Amino acid sequence: LAKTTQPISMDSYEGQEVNITCSHNNIATNDYITWYQQFPSQGPRFIIQGYKTKVTNEVASLFIPADRKSSTLSLPRVSLSDTAVYYCLVGLQGGKLIFGQGTELSVKP
Amino acid sequence: DTGVSQNPRHKITKRGQNVTFRCDPISEHNRLYWYRQTLGQGPEFLTYFQNEAQLEKSRLLSDRFSAERPKGSFSTLEIQRTEQGDSAMYLCASSPRGTAEGQKRETQYFGPGTRLLVL
Repeated sequence: LAKTTQPISMDSYEGQEVNITCSHNNIATNDYITWYQQFPSQGPRFIIQGYKTKVTNEVASLFIPADRKSSTLSLPRVSLSDTAVYYCLVGLQGGKLIFGQGTELSVKP
Repeated sequence: DTGVSQNPRHKITKRGQNVTFRCDPISEHNRLYWYRQTLGQGPEFLTYFQNEAQLEKSRLLSDRFSAERPKGSFSTLEIQRTEQGDSAMYLCASSPRGTAEGQKRETQYFGPGTRLLVL
């Protein structure tokens, strides 16, 4: 299963665009890239998923280069409520999700 | 609310006591997962069910842990003779069973978790 590496923490200010990059050098051909968001004392919440190029939904965009060895989650114009931990996951191992430590995003006023 | 629900939300118990948690998945979802999360770490897989069949158990799940999903709907996770090291957030998630290709990209929907504190 592909191992992921992402920054442990990031700081931002309200209204800024935040980009969180995840490295996954040994991603397999069939693996999808998925990002989850987790607020304190809550379960993780699916944000976005992609296989290649760019995916956009109402919450975020996901950029995946051609070699797929990394991906970048982009959050436009963050607000205080975007303060959370963001997890990058690659592939599935028998259906179960393998979480890393995630990136703790802190948005300041 | 049609999301995944878990009860209780919080549980404080004394070491050596037994505890049981319940998870109600989204009604049409065949798969149900249990994860454990300690402070500062991502969730760790414990076990999962396809309908009522328990298909996989993590090595994290010691003999003191048992999970059931008797009718393929709700699930329970029991911890016997709790230890302080069992203190954690226990998360339940569910997903619909898709095609083999779809399973490569399935989305899991998590409940709010049950926070256990063993004194």
